[in-house]
Amino acid sequence: KNEVEQSPQNLTAQEGEFITINCSYSVGISALHWLQQHPGGGIVSLFMLSSGKKKHGRLIATINIQEKHSSLHITASHPRDSAVYICAVRGNRGSTLGRLYFGRGTQLTVWP
Amino acid sequence: DGGITQSPKYLFRKEGQNVTLSCEQNLNHDAMYWYRQDPGQGLRLIYYSQIVNDFQKGDIAEGYSVSREKKESFPLTVTSAQKNPTAFYLCASSSPRGGSYEQYFGPGTRLTVT
Repeated sequence: KNEVEQSPQNLTAQEGEFITINCSYSVGISALHWLQQHPGGGIVSLFMLSSGKKKHGRLIATINIQEKHSSLHITASHPRDSAVYICAVRGNRGSTLGRLYFGRGTQLTVWP
Repeated sequence: DGGITQSPKYLFRKEGQNVTLSCEQNLNHDAMYWYRQDPGQGLRLIYYSQIVNDFQKGDIAEGYSVSREKKESFPLTVTSAQKNPTAFYLCASSSPRGGSYEQYFGPGTRLTVT
Protein backbone atom coordinates (compact mmCIF):
# COMPACT_ATOMS: atom_id res chain seq x y z
CA LYS A 1 0.00 0.00 0.00
CA ASN A 2 1.34 3.40 -1.01
CA GLU A 3 1.55 5.96 1.76
CA VAL A 4 0.52 8.69 -0.70
CA GLU A 5 -2.33 8.41 -3.19
CA GLN A 6 -2.98 10.91 -5.96
CA SER A 7 -5.92 11.37 -8.26
CA PRO A 8 -6.51 11.54 -11.07
CA GLN A 9 -3.63 9.67 -12.67
CA ASN A 10 -4.16 11.50 -15.98
CA LEU A 11 -5.92 14.78 -16.61
CA THR A 12 -6.68 16.55 -19.87
CA ALA A 13 -8.01 20.10 -19.99
CA GLN A 14 -8.70 22.93 -22.41
CA GLU A 15 -6.76 26.13 -22.00
CA GLY A 16 -8.41 28.36 -19.44
CA GLU A 17 -10.03 25.60 -17.40
CA PHE A 18 -9.75 25.33 -13.62
CA ILE A 19 -7.83 22.22 -12.59
CA THR A 20 -7.74 20.29 -9.33
CA ILE A 21 -5.37 17.49 -8.39
CA ASN A 22 -5.95 15.61 -5.15
CA CYS A 23 -3.58 13.93 -2.72
CA SER A 24 -4.36 11.74 0.29
CA TYR A 25 -1.82 10.30 2.67
CA SER A 26 -1.81 7.78 5.48
CA VAL A 27 1.30 8.59 7.54
CA GLY A 28 2.05 11.29 10.08
CA ILE A 29 3.67 14.19 8.34
CA SER A 30 5.59 17.32 9.13
CA ALA A 31 5.01 18.87 5.71
CA LEU A 32 3.56 18.19 2.28
CA HIS A 33 5.21 19.09 -1.00
CA TRP A 34 3.81 19.65 -4.45
CA LEU A 35 6.39 19.08 -7.18
CA GLN A 36 6.34 19.62 -10.93
CA GLN A 37 8.20 17.40 -13.38
CA HIS A 38 8.56 18.45 -17.01
CA PRO A 39 9.20 16.03 -19.90
CA GLY A 40 12.96 16.44 -19.57
CA GLY A 41 12.72 14.87 -16.13
CA GLY A 42 13.89 17.65 -13.85
CA ILE A 43 11.76 18.28 -10.77
CA VAL A 44 11.02 21.63 -9.22
CA SER A 45 9.29 22.33 -5.95
CA LEU A 46 6.05 24.29 -6.26
CA PHE A 47 4.89 24.37 -2.65
CA MET A 48 5.81 23.12 0.77
CA LEU A 49 3.03 23.44 3.32
CA SER A 50 2.09 22.12 6.71
CA SER A 51 -1.23 23.87 7.19
CA GLY A 52 -3.78 26.07 5.47
CA LYS A 53 -3.27 27.40 2.00
CA LYS A 54 -0.54 28.85 -0.19
CA LYS A 55 -0.82 30.74 -3.47
CA HIS A 56 1.77 31.44 -6.12
CA GLY A 57 0.54 33.07 -9.28
CA ARG A 58 -2.15 30.84 -10.78
CA LEU A 59 -1.33 27.94 -8.47
CA ILE A 60 -3.02 27.33 -5.13
CA ALA A 61 -2.25 24.53 -2.67
CA THR A 62 -4.36 23.61 0.31
CA ILE A 63 -3.98 21.05 3.04
CA ASN A 64 -6.37 19.61 5.63
CA ILE A 65 -4.29 17.93 8.32
CA GLN A 66 -7.27 16.33 10.09
CA GLU A 67 -8.50 14.71 6.88
CA LYS A 68 -4.95 13.96 5.61
CA HIS A 69 -5.74 15.51 2.28
CA SER A 70 -4.27 18.17 0.02
CA SER A 71 -5.32 19.72 -3.26
CA LEU A 72 -3.41 21.56 -5.95
CA HIS A 73 -5.45 23.97 -8.03
CA ILE A 74 -4.45 25.67 -11.26
CA THR A 75 -6.59 28.60 -12.36
CA ALA A 76 -6.79 29.69 -16.00
CA SER A 77 -4.73 26.70 -17.15
CA HIS A 78 -2.28 27.11 -20.00
CA PRO A 79 -0.48 24.63 -22.27
CA ARG A 80 2.79 25.44 -20.50
CA ASP A 81 1.26 23.94 -17.34
CA SER A 82 1.43 20.53 -19.02
CA ALA A 83 3.64 18.40 -16.80
CA VAL A 84 3.56 15.68 -14.17
CA TYR A 85 2.51 16.95 -10.74
CA ILE A 86 3.75 14.96 -7.80
CA CYS A 87 2.56 15.03 -4.21
CA ALA A 88 5.11 14.10 -1.56
CA VAL A 89 4.88 14.04 2.22
CA ARG A 90 7.68 14.37 4.73
CA GLY A 91 7.69 11.94 7.66
CA ASN A 92 7.59 13.33 11.16
CA ARG A 93 9.01 10.64 13.39
CA GLY A 94 12.38 9.16 14.20
CA SER A 95 14.06 7.58 11.23
CA THR A 96 11.40 8.90 8.85
CA LEU A 97 12.14 12.49 9.77
CA GLY A 98 13.21 14.35 6.66
CA ARG A 99 12.57 11.60 4.12
CA LEU A 100 9.85 12.01 1.53
CA TYR A 101 7.12 9.58 0.47
CA PHE A 102 5.90 10.17 -3.07
CA GLY A 103 2.63 9.78 -4.91
CA ARG A 104 2.70 8.30 -8.43
CA GLY A 105 2.08 11.65 -10.04
CA THR A 106 -0.67 13.17 -12.17
CA GLN A 107 0.04 13.71 -15.86
CA LEU A 108 -1.63 16.98 -16.85
CA THR A 109 -2.08 17.91 -20.50
CA VAL A 110 -3.56 21.30 -21.37
CA TRP A 111 -4.66 21.80 -24.97
CA PRO A 112 -4.79 25.24 -26.62
CA ASP B 1 24.46 29.63 -9.04
CA GLY B 2 23.73 27.09 -6.31
CA GLY B 3 22.25 23.79 -7.32
CA ILE B 4 22.63 20.10 -7.93
CA THR B 5 24.33 18.61 -10.96
CA GLN B 6 24.03 15.08 -12.21
CA SER B 7 26.06 13.65 -15.00
CA PRO B 8 25.70 12.35 -17.53
CA LYS B 9 22.09 13.04 -18.58
CA TYR B 10 21.93 9.81 -20.58
CA LEU B 11 23.98 6.70 -19.89
CA PHE B 12 24.10 3.42 -21.76
CA ARG B 13 25.70 0.26 -20.43
CA LYS B 14 25.91 -3.40 -21.24
CA GLU B 15 24.40 -5.89 -18.85
CA GLY B 16 26.91 -7.14 -16.30
CA GLN B 17 28.83 -3.88 -16.03
CA ASN B 18 28.88 -1.67 -12.96
CA VAL B 19 28.15 2.00 -13.59
CA THR B 20 28.54 5.04 -11.36
CA LEU B 21 26.19 8.02 -11.49
CA SER B 22 27.52 11.35 -10.34
CA CYS B 23 25.74 13.81 -8.03
CA GLU B 24 27.29 17.06 -6.84
CA GLN B 25 25.71 19.90 -4.87
CA ASN B 26 27.01 23.34 -3.92
CA LEU B 27 24.12 24.22 -1.64
CA ASN B 28 26.04 23.28 1.50
CA HIS B 29 23.31 20.77 2.33
CA ASP B 30 23.97 18.06 4.87
CA ALA B 31 21.53 15.45 3.54
CA MET B 32 21.57 13.85 0.10
CA TYR B 33 19.26 11.29 -1.47
CA TRP B 34 19.08 8.95 -4.45
CA TYR B 35 15.73 8.07 -6.01
CA ARG B 36 14.71 5.79 -8.81
CA GLN B 37 11.73 6.58 -11.05
CA ASP B 38 9.98 4.03 -13.24
CA PRO B 39 6.99 4.70 -15.52
CA GLY B 40 3.72 4.75 -13.60
CA GLN B 41 5.42 4.59 -10.22
CA GLY B 42 6.30 7.17 -7.63
CA LEU B 43 9.89 7.99 -6.81
CA ARG B 44 11.45 5.31 -4.67
CA LEU B 45 14.28 5.92 -2.22
CA ILE B 46 17.48 3.97 -2.90
CA TYR B 47 19.95 5.41 -0.37
CA TYR B 48 20.26 8.53 1.69
CA SER B 49 22.98 10.23 3.67
CA GLN B 50 22.37 12.71 6.45
CA ILE B 51 26.02 13.52 7.06
CA VAL B 52 29.44 12.93 5.58
CA ASN B 53 30.79 9.39 5.95
CA ASP B 54 27.37 8.03 6.87
CA PHE B 55 24.53 6.67 4.75
CA GLN B 56 21.47 4.44 5.13
CA LYS B 57 19.59 2.09 2.86
CA GLY B 58 16.28 3.22 1.52
CA ASP B 59 13.44 1.06 0.30
CA ILE B 60 15.17 -0.47 -2.73
CA ALA B 61 18.90 -0.55 -1.93
CA GLU B 62 19.63 -4.04 -3.26
CA GLY B 63 22.04 -3.94 -6.19
CA TYR B 64 23.19 -0.40 -5.45
CA SER B 65 26.04 1.12 -3.45
CA VAL B 66 26.95 4.67 -2.43
CA SER B 67 29.70 6.63 -0.74
CA ARG B 68 29.75 10.01 1.01
CA GLU B 69 33.37 11.03 1.39
CA LYS B 70 32.67 14.72 0.77
CA LYS B 71 29.72 16.85 1.78
CA GLU B 72 29.07 17.99 -1.77
CA SER B 73 29.28 14.58 -3.48
CA PHE B 74 27.10 11.45 -3.28
CA PRO B 75 27.85 9.04 -6.16
CA LEU B 76 25.63 6.04 -6.79
CA THR B 77 26.98 2.79 -8.24
CA VAL B 78 24.55 0.51 -10.01
CA THR B 79 26.08 -2.93 -9.75
CA SER B 80 25.58 -5.95 -11.94
CA ALA B 81 23.52 -7.43 -9.09
CA GLN B 82 20.70 -4.97 -9.78
CA LYS B 83 18.14 -7.06 -11.67
CA ASN B 84 16.42 -4.27 -13.59
CA PRO B 85 18.69 -1.21 -13.67
CA THR B 86 17.12 0.65 -16.59
CA ALA B 87 15.39 3.67 -15.03
CA PHE B 88 15.54 7.39 -14.41
CA TYR B 89 17.71 8.26 -11.40
CA LEU B 90 17.27 11.46 -9.43
CA CYS B 91 19.55 12.91 -6.80
CA ALA B 92 18.33 15.39 -4.21
CA SER B 93 19.67 17.30 -1.24
CA SER B 94 18.21 19.05 1.75
CA SER B 95 19.17 20.79 4.93
CA PRO B 96 17.33 20.72 8.25
CA ARG B 97 18.50 24.21 9.11
CA GLY B 98 15.64 26.32 10.42
CA GLY B 99 13.40 23.26 10.53
CA SER B 100 13.09 23.13 6.75
CA TYR B 101 13.81 19.87 4.99
CA GLU B 102 12.81 21.11 1.56
CA GLN B 103 14.49 18.92 -1.03
CA TYR B 104 16.16 20.24 -4.14
CA PHE B 105 16.43 17.89 -7.09
CA GLY B 106 19.05 17.43 -9.77
CA PRO B 107 18.13 17.10 -13.46
CA GLY B 108 18.40 13.31 -13.36
CA THR B 109 20.28 10.61 -15.26
CA ARG B 110 18.47 8.23 -17.57
CA LEU B 111 20.25 4.87 -17.47
CA THR B 112 19.67 2.24 -20.12
CA VAL B 113 21.17 -1.20 -19.71
CA THR B 114 21.00 -3.65 -22.61
